Amino acid sequence: SAVISQKPSRDICQRGTSLTIQCQVDSQVTMMFWYRQQPGQSLTLIATANQGSEATYESGFVIDKFPISRPNLTFSTLTVSNMSPEDSSIYLCSVALQGYNQPQHFGDGTRLSIL
Amino acid sequence: SQELEQSPQSLIVQEGKNLTINCTSSKTLYGLYWYKQKYGEGLIFLMMLQKGGEEKSHEKITAKLDEKKQQSSLHITASQPSHAGIYLCGAAHFGNEKLTFGTGTRLTIIP
Repeated sequence: SAVISQKPSRDICQRGTSLTIQCQVDSQVTMMFWYRQQPGQSLTLIATANQGSEATYESGFVIDKFPISRPNLTFSTLTVSNMSPEDSSIYLCSVALQGYNQPQHFGDGTRLSIL
Repeated sequence: SQELEQSPQSLIVQEGKNLTINCTSSKTLYGLYWYKQKYGEGLIFLMMLQKGGEEKSHEKITAKLDEKKQQSSLHITASQPSHAGIYLCGAAHFGNEKLTFGTGTRLTIIP
């Protein structure tokens, strides 16, 4: 498996501001993903972070709102822009190790509250 | 897209009792993953199932995938307080690494 560090673990932000969440892996991985978990809900995939190219966003998520960087094979960031109370969620990054049908491993998540 | 329904949504079980959580897909599953999430934290990988009829066990947790690969169950024997949390099933998509997650089952263990 992989050790995934996510920062910050939690934050309380003012509406209209932006927050960048970092995800660091202890080994090189091909696939990194960002998920959102709204209160009491399951996980929804925001985007796949691609190394060296733009992220691939899922329906309902756009780059202007959730810009993602992936500068190398061990690191990615997700920015939540122009936040509103509806963005209050847990944001999780995950990685899939190389190999056939490897499970995704998750960071501990970032609990974000917007006032 | 793949839709996964889990049942029950929540479960309260007395310590020492057995329990089962189900995950049903609207489509044939390419791969099925079970995760556990402690409240407000990240997901812990439990097991992965791929073949119809496959069954895997780890400690007191057993997961099965039916022959048609559209339903999976997670069974916990002699439950303990450490089993409390939210259990999520995730379905793999053919041809890529994306996962779609089920609705989740919140498990509470009472003394």
